[in-house]
Parts: sequence; C-alpha cells; structure tokens
Amino acid sequence: GAVVSQHPSRVICKSGTSVKIECRSLDFQATTMFWYRQFPKKSLMLMATSNEGSKATYEQGVEKDKFLINHASLTLSTLTVTSAHPEDSSFYICSARGPSRQETQYFGPGTRLLVL
Amino acid sequence: GQNIDQPTEMTATEGAIVQINCTYQTSGFNGLFWYQQHAGEAPTFLSYNVLDGLEEKGRFSSFLSRSKGYSYLLLKELQMKDSASYLCAVMDSNYQLIWGAGTKLIIKP
Repeated sequence: GAVVSQHPSRVICKSGTSVKIECRSLDFQATTMFWYRQFPKKSLMLMATSNEGSKATYEQGVEKDKFLINHASLTLSTLTVTSAHPEDSSFYICSARGPSRQETQYFGPGTRLLVL
Repeated sequence: GQNIDQPTEMTATEGAIVQINCTYQTSGFNGLFWYQQHAGEAPTFLSYNVLDGLEEKGRFSSFLSRSKGYSYLLLKELQMKDSASYLCAVMDSNYQLIWGAGTKLIIKP
C-alpha cells in the first residue's frame, strides 16, 4: 500500500515555457500533499503544503506565482513551474499523507526538470 | 532554531553492522522518521519512532531517546544495495517534518 506516482519522471523544456508535474496517490486518499525540491547532494527542501480543496501554503522564499499548486482531489495534486528558467532545473519530489497529521509521508519517484 | 544533525558520510563493509546517529533540537516532538534515498531516486520510508526504545524491522532497527534528543538507525548484515543516503526527519509541534541533511552510506566489498 501507500503508493504515490509522479509524472513525468523527466522533462526537458525551453526557457520561458511552463511545465506541469502531476502527483497521484494510487491506493489511499491523500488529504495533504507536499512538494519538495532537491539539489544534487543536498537535503530535501519543502516548497509548499497543499490540502485537498484549499490553497497551498508556501514556504518562505518560494514564489507562489511561479510555482502554482493545485490539489483538486484526494488523489491528485499538480505543480506547475511557470515561465521556467535554467535556475529552476532541479529534482522535484511530491509526497502524500492521509488525514492524520502524524501519518507517514510517502514519496513519489520524483521529476527531474532540466530547463535549457 | 530547529536543528537535525547526522554525519555526512559513513563507510562500512558488506556483511557488517553500521549505526547512523541523529540528534535533534526541535520545537516539540511528534515522532522521528528514517528514510532511505538511493542516488537519483525519491526517499522511501524505513521507520517511525514516537516512543522511547528500539523498533526492529528485519535487518533495520531504529532507536529513540526523547530525553536525549537522539535516535539511531542500525543496519545489520549489510548488502551492497544498502549503499544510499539515510535521512532523519523529526515532526515538530506543528506536525511539520524537519529534515536532516542525510548520511551517505558507502558499502565496500
């Protein structure tokens, strides 16, 4: 149980374009989903927390207009990187958790974004 | 401030035992998690401790002492596939996960 999928696994795009990443919980209802960013050999950096049907809560320093998050259902959250630039190139990982705040977060396989 | 400390890198031999330590200072405590992350992949859940003591799960065990702000992950009968980074994360009073920087474990034959 507790399987989280993420799509696409890799994406290469041109500077200035937008990229959408999907995160799905396959076998449980994900009340809360988290979006992380990870640079090579660095730890996870939480970008935002989204609860189903609510606006996402962004961490300090993360631009909400640049990283659009939608959590429209209990099984799907999307992250859209708008007007991507080379410095947005990174490994983006989502995680999902059930309704209890003490529940374990289960991670998707990640999306590697390269902006040319 | 909130802080999670774990060694940056450790090396061990195949078949041996290794202990990865994690110390933490957080505002409140609602549990400690260990995750394994292979290079280029997302983290996978290993263990969760919220009460003091040892939790054993196959070759992996995790220990917690809340009074000391200390945990360790014990890996027995090491295999080459155990080469990975091991992340310690503490859930604080706001149920936010505070992440350590990870310990890169290198297994040698």
